[in-house]
Amino acid sequence: GPKVLQIPSHQIIDMGQMVTLNCDPVSNHLYFYWYKQILGQQMEFLVNFYNGKVMEKSKLFKDQFSVERPDGSYFTLKIQPTALEDSAVYFCASSGTGVAETLYFGSGTRLTVL
Amino acid sequence: GEKVEQHESTLSVREGDSAVINCTYTDTASSYFPWYKQEAGKGLHFVIDIRSNVDRKQSQRLIVLLDKKAKRFSLHITATQPEDSAIYFCAASNNNNAPRFGAGTKLTVKP
Repeated sequence: GPKVLQIPSHQIIDMGQMVTLNCDPVSNHLYFYWYKQILGQQMEFLVNFYNGKVMEKSKLFKDQFSVERPDGSYFTLKIQPTALEDSAVYFCASSGTGVAETLYFGSGTRLTVL
Repeated sequence: GEKVEQHESTLSVREGDSAVINCTYTDTASSYFPWYKQEAGKGLHFVIDIRSNVDRKQSQRLIVLLDKKAKRFSLHITATQPEDSAIYFCAASNNNNAPRFGAGTKLTVKP
C-alpha cells in the first residue's frame, strides 16, 4: 500500500540544539500531519498542514516548532531549540483530500534530547 | 477541542474469543471515527472506520459500532488470532479538524 517514509529513524541531540525531522509523504497526498508519541502510548496531535500553510495546531506545538514543505519535497518538523521534554517518537502522516479520511503513517523518528 | 477516551488500556483474550475495545468522545461535531493498529516499533496502520451516517460497519472479523447519542464507539474483533495482538487506537475527527486519538489499548491474544 501507500508508504510514508521518515528520516532518520533515530536522532540523538543535545538540549538547545536544532533538529529537523524529515517526512516523505504519499506522492499525491495533500494533507500532512505530525503526531508525538511518548512511552509507546498516547498519540498526541501536533499540527496539520495543507497548501503550504498550518491549518491546525495543538498546544503541544510550541513556538520552537515549525513545519514546512518547500517545493513539494520533504515535509519537515523543525525544533529550535530542543528541550528535554521533546524526547519522544514523532510520527508523520498524510492523507489524500481531507482530514476525515484514512491517514497513512510513517514508522516514526525516535528523538532523544540529552 | 475533541477529547477521546479509550477505556481499556490492556486487554487479554484467548485465541478464538472476541475482543471489544470501547471509546468515548466529547465533540458532537465529530463525524469520522477511524481505528488504527500499531505493532511494535512501527507506525499506525488503518484497520476500519465508521462515519456518523451509520451505526454499524463490518469488515471481515472487524465490527465497529457507533452510538452518537452516548458519544461512544467500539471495535469488536471476532474469532481473534495471535496476529491480532497489537496496540489499537481509536480516533475522532470532523471535516475541519485532524483526528484526535485515544490512549491506545494493548491487545494480547493468547494461543
